[in-house]
Amino acid sequence: DAMVIQNPRYQVTQFGKPVTLSCSQTLNHNVMYWYQQKSSQAPKLLFHYYDKDFNNEADTPDNFQSRRPNTSFCFLDIRSPGLGDAAMYLCATSRSANYGYTFGSGTRLTVV
Amino acid sequence: RKEVEQDPGPFNVPEGATVAFNCTYSNSASQSFFWYRQDCRKEPKLLMSVYSSGNEDGRFTAQLNRASQYISLLIRDSKLSDSATYLCVVNRNTGNQFYFGTGTSLTVIP
Repeated sequence: DAMVIQNPRYQVTQFGKPVTLSCSQTLNHNVMYWYQQKSSQAPKLLFHYYDKDFNNEADTPDNFQSRRPNTSFCFLDIRSPGLGDAAMYLCATSRSANYGYTFGSGTRLTVV
Repeated sequence: RKEVEQDPGPFNVPEGATVAFNCTYSNSASQSFFWYRQDCRKEPKLLMSVYSSGNEDGRFTAQLNRASQYISLLIRDSKLSDSATYLCVVNRNTGNQFYFGTGTSLTVIP
């Protein structure tokens, strides 16, 4: 089935140790997004790609970077995770602004 | 002012009740509107898009009021399985960014 896949489902990383979360899609959607969601809060958009065009949200910390090597894959790199970065990270794809998202099942990041 | 605002609830309603949620948005140029459902510790899933003329899907009815800049979701004949958080999603102008409300928590009680 066409879908958005995030790996791993759960990730534990050490304070300050770089970590990469991955997302892949078989929907061939142009747009891929990374959201951060903390407990009882709305998902917060970090950045998105329209094809290869990268769009960073103004308040996304420099600690967060992203790569999209091809249409199918998108990565979230956290260079130096802090305790405050513990959250659910959601990848989503969309065909265009008029269509809703398809979300992956998320990666729950714990920082120890 | 937040892009999208929702009453967080919680809403606790008995089975069979009708319940309505509202969501306001700040950008009058927003074009696309959606309701998502999120179960505890799961990803959000699209419940329905919201069209200008209003739309219905079974027990769920969505409305858009552009003049007052809000959208609503009505759930009739609530089921236990409707218990979840309902997220309002609005796009920014015609761009590809979408913004979420904080969600409204619904618990349907037997």
